[in-house]
Amino acid sequence: SQQGEEDPQALSIQEGENATMNCSYKTSINNLQWYRQNSGRGLVHLILIRSNEREKHSGRLRVTLDTSKKSSSLLITASRAADTASYFCATAVLQGAQKLVFGQGTRLTINP
Amino acid sequence: NAGVMQNPRHLVRRRGQEARLRCSPVKGHSHVYWYRQLPEEGLKFMVYLQKENIIDESGMPKERFSAEFPKEGPSILRIQQVVRGDSAAYFCASSAETGNNQPQHFGDGTRLSIL
Repeated sequence: SQQGEEDPQALSIQEGENATMNCSYKTSINNLQWYRQNSGRGLVHLILIRSNEREKHSGRLRVTLDTSKKSSSLLITASRAADTASYFCATAVLQGAQKLVFGQGTRLTINP
Repeated sequence: NAGVMQNPRHLVRRRGQEARLRCSPVKGHSHVYWYRQLPEEGLKFMVYLQKENIIDESGMPKERFSAEFPKEGPSILRIQQVVRGDSAAYFCASSAETGNNQPQHFGDGTRLSIL
């Protein structure tokens, strides 16, 4: 079965710096989504990028998708302490697009 | 609050008891999904339901686990005869009618602890 993998598993940076997280997957997808999870809370949807898109922006977030390499990246610019959370990529496969397959996540810590 | 509501937030059960987890989707959403998350791991898909129908239960154990989404009322994830390995956070999500290429909206989860 498909399994997304995030890289790195943990990332610690200073406030104001940019944070980049990567995600790889194994099978063809319909779309790829990024979610944030604060400790003890549910997931918050950040951005969805379709398989025919290469880049998408939302505020300080920039997501790229390379379907030939089966990989995606999430860039958070000008990080803030409030960005501290776990970030997950999730893929919706072509068959059964409703089922999201999540990676293990990247734990991001922003140091003030 | 128009988001996905899950209750209870925390549930403690002894081995052999039953656990019932409830999920009210975003108003107007008819697609509901249940996921399980173990500590320090990502979410694992369990089951996908539309009103009154189970569409995909490929991630749900064949025994002891069942899910429903009745015409009226919340979706229910039911775990019978719980065991220690059932301890996890269970998340419900919902999406809009069209489903495809729609983001899923998550509740804050139910943390199930088995004594």
